[in-house]
Amino acid sequence: GENVEQHPSTLSVQEGDSAVIKCTYSDSASNYFPWYKQELGKGPQLIIDIRSNVGEKKDQRIAVTLNKTAKHFSLHITETQPEDSAVYFCAARGTDSWGKLQFGAGTQVVVTP
Amino acid sequence: DAEITQSPRHKITETGRQVTLACHQTWNHNNMFWYRQDLGHGLRLIHYSYGVQDTNKGEVSDGYSVSRSNTEDLPLTLESAASSQTSVYFCASSEPGLADSDTQYFGPGTRLTVL
Repeated sequence: GENVEQHPSTLSVQEGDSAVIKCTYSDSASNYFPWYKQELGKGPQLIIDIRSNVGEKKDQRIAVTLNKTAKHFSLHITETQPEDSAVYFCAARGTDSWGKLQFGAGTQVVVTP
Repeated sequence: DAEITQSPRHKITETGRQVTLACHQTWNHNNMFWYRQDLGHGLRLIHYSYGVQDTNKGEVSDGYSVSRSNTEDLPLTLESAASSQTSVYFCASSEPGLADSDTQYFGPGTRLTVL
């Protein structure tokens, strides 16, 4: 089955700087890659996703890139703000998984003023 | 507004007791999922369902069971609670066939402590 590795496990950035989180996946047939943000005491919430027919997607200050050849995808947050502090999870879905997602272990992002 | 709720939000129980965690969604989604969240492991799938009367085992299903008698609810039962099942549990749902069918919507979680 699919295996997703996520790095780093913790990331501390100064407010205004950029943050990058990287994930690798094992199943070359995986075709959907979402990113979830989890604030303290809450459930994860989708912030951006990308499909295998697209190399990059952007939504305001966040962007995701996908390299299918290398089987890795990354989340980029620019101009970080204190409200970006949270745990971020990447995930991947294989073509035969029919709605199931395999999650990475998560990255704790701390934005310091 | 449609939502997904979990109850209780916090639960303390003893080893060997049966525990049931509730999950209720008003999205009318066919897909429902149960995950456990532990430090260093992210979200691991326990059980999932693609519709009424359908249940399937995930990667960490031992010691857990689910049943799906209607679209809205997927209760998770720990038959005989063990300390290793101390965790935060999340329920999620999604709807196949929609434009955002892969999006899973998560509940607020249940923190379970087994003493």
